[in-house]
Amino acid sequence: EAGVVQSPRYKIIEKKQPVAFWCNPISGHNTLYWYRQNLGQGPELLIRYENEEAVDDSQLPKDRFSAERLKGVDSTLKIQPAELGDSAVYLCASSLQETQYFGPGTRLLVL
Amino acid sequence: GDSVTQMEGPVTLSEEAFLTINCTYTATGYPSLFWYVQYPGEGLQLLLKATKADDKGSNKGFEATYRKETTSFHLEKGSVQVSDSAVYFCALILSGNTPLVFGKGTRLSVIA
Repeated sequence: EAGVVQSPRYKIIEKKQPVAFWCNPISGHNTLYWYRQNLGQGPELLIRYENEEAVDDSQLPKDRFSAERLKGVDSTLKIQPAELGDSAVYLCASSLQETQYFGPGTRLLVL
Repeated sequence: GDSVTQMEGPVTLSEEAFLTINCTYTATGYPSLFWYVQYPGEGLQLLLKATKADDKGSNKGFEATYRKETTSFHLEKGSVQVSDSAVYFCALILSGNTPLVFGKGTRLSVIA
């Protein structure tokens, strides 16, 4: 069974530029999560989807971050414009019940 | 709010040494508890889990027992290998598909 797929794996951009991350969850997993992991910290939730509905986006900085999950499968997370403090690893996870499975993450560096 | 506290690293051990990484939690309900492992440059992999008090999760020689009375879920391994070098995260989830709450992680380095 294929795991959670994310792309790109690495991204370097200059501040104020836009960036987008893509996630393909495990087939059949209705719940999809985006987490941000700052250096030396544990991941923290940005947004959670149940199928195509965002059910928890309270921690998403909505002035610059947006996300979508069309057709309840793949998801895209976007930052526009990026700031220096957005440098982090962005992790996507999916679950069918309680256990969450993570992708390899996208490591973002904003210069 | 709900939280997880892990022992601070880094932890450096010689090969075949005994490993303990402490984890305690604070939760309003009855959480399920997890240990995830992150190898360099990779995402998080589920190592083991326990869903109720006194359950023991185990995988790849690692074990952790859900202790409700001490609100703990310490990770142990009897004999570590160089390949166990990674960052270990303790986490909890309150119910269903709610987000995981992670500790800050503990970096383990095993030297030959």
